[in-house]
Amino acid sequence: QQQVKQSPQSLIVQKGGISIINCAYENTAFDYFPWYQQFPGKGPALLIAIRPDVSEKKEGRFTISFNKSAKQFSLHIMDSQPGDSATYFCAASPGADGLTFGKGTHLIIQP
Amino acid sequence: DAGVIQSPRHEVTEMGQEVTLRCKPISGHNSLFWYRQTMMRGLELLIYFNNNVPIDDSGMPEDRFSAKMPNASFSTLKIQPSEPRDSAVYFCASSKLTGSNSPLHFGNGTRLTVT
Repeated sequence: QQQVKQSPQSLIVQKGGISIINCAYENTAFDYFPWYQQFPGKGPALLIAIRPDVSEKKEGRFTISFNKSAKQFSLHIMDSQPGDSATYFCAASPGADGLTFGKGTHLIIQP
Repeated sequence: DAGVIQSPRHEVTEMGQEVTLRCKPISGHNSLFWYRQTMMRGLELLIYFNNNVPIDDSGMPEDRFSAKMPNASFSTLKIQPSEPRDSAVYFCASSKLTGSNSPLHFGNGTRLTVT
């Protein structure tokens, strides 16, 4: 059972554009929703995270939007840059347990 | 901060051989996680430890896989005997404590190829 569904699998965006990646979850016990960024040959690294008591969190060019009733959350990357090209993973956990990850989105920013 | 250290970075072995992957978590972190990454299945949680005690090993594929954490600074993931379908990148990650939503810090992984 895939508890966190992520889309799209791959995404190509022009430099300066907005990149949007979506995730949906099933387990209502999830209460922590981070996004991780992974470059080739490296482990994933935390990018930004949100808890369900807020609907949006912004850090620089990165924003998480959260819709608790729809059980969906998304990552927006504003003014996308070639250096943002990476694989992005959404994840969720019910607090006390390990993270469940989406399958990842391979993002390419074209100069 | 040296980060999470995994060894080896690459491992190539023949089917049936024993494989041992190693991990040194960040000093002061109480939780340690083993994940497996493949194209088909993404990142899968295999097992995690709190204060050196295994908490949830429900993600371990089968009895061929075992993990230990003899002390706070070292963990191993062993596959015996290995099979070609075990080929993947294995990540170790650590955090201060589960339940606190403390960020996971990942190592750079071990790429395992079983021929």
